[in-house]
Amino acid sequence: GIQVEQSPPDLILQEGANSTLRCNFSDSVNNLQWFHQNPWGQLINLFYIPSGTKQNGRLSATTVATERYSLLYISSSQTTDSGVYFCAVAMDSSYKLIFGSGTRLLVRP
Amino acid sequence: KAGVTQTPRYLIKTRGQQVTLSCSPISGHRSVSWYQQTPGQGLQFLFEYFSETQRNKGNFPGRFSGRQFSNSRSEMNVSTLELGDSALYLCASSALSATYEQYFGPGTRLTVT
Repeated sequence: GIQVEQSPPDLILQEGANSTLRCNFSDSVNNLQWFHQNPWGQLINLFYIPSGTKQNGRLSATTVATERYSLLYISSSQTTDSGVYFCAVAMDSSYKLIFGSGTRLLVRP
Repeated sequence: KAGVTQTPRYLIKTRGQQVTLSCSPISGHRSVSWYQQTPGQGLQFLFEYFSETQRNKGNFPGRFSGRQFSNSRSEMNVSTLELGDSALYLCASSALSATYEQYFGPGTRLTVT
């Protein structure tokens, strides 16, 4: 099956710093989503981005489908950005999301 | 538009019992998927339902089952609970439009003692 690898596994930043999270996947996908899991466990949609670039405030994402990777950029990080960020993909018109193991981000004041 | 809702939010059960979790999708969404999250295995796909039919199933034992009703609400059932079934169970819904974007509910945290 498709493999999804996220890096780095852990990241500690000072408030105001920028960061880049990476997601590599092993096969062609028709869905790629980035999520932020809040402290209560809910997955918050950040981006639906099977290809191309999108921006939403301080967050942006780029997926290069031909090279099978996606990047999530967080600029001017805030303590509220802390949590776990997941990349998830699906193949072949399927709704079966395969998740990476996540990047745990801690932003210190 | 209201988001995906899941009930109950927290549940404590004893080994050997069974449990039923409920999920109401976003209004108009007809696909509902279930996922299990544990510290050891991460987030894993359980199954997906559309129009009351299971279309896709993950690699879980037969103790895990689900169904979908005509109003798109879904339930999942776990029989003969084991300690390892303790997990956060997440439900997601999708609109089956041109995109495959899924939206998640707040989850049900199940503890098996």
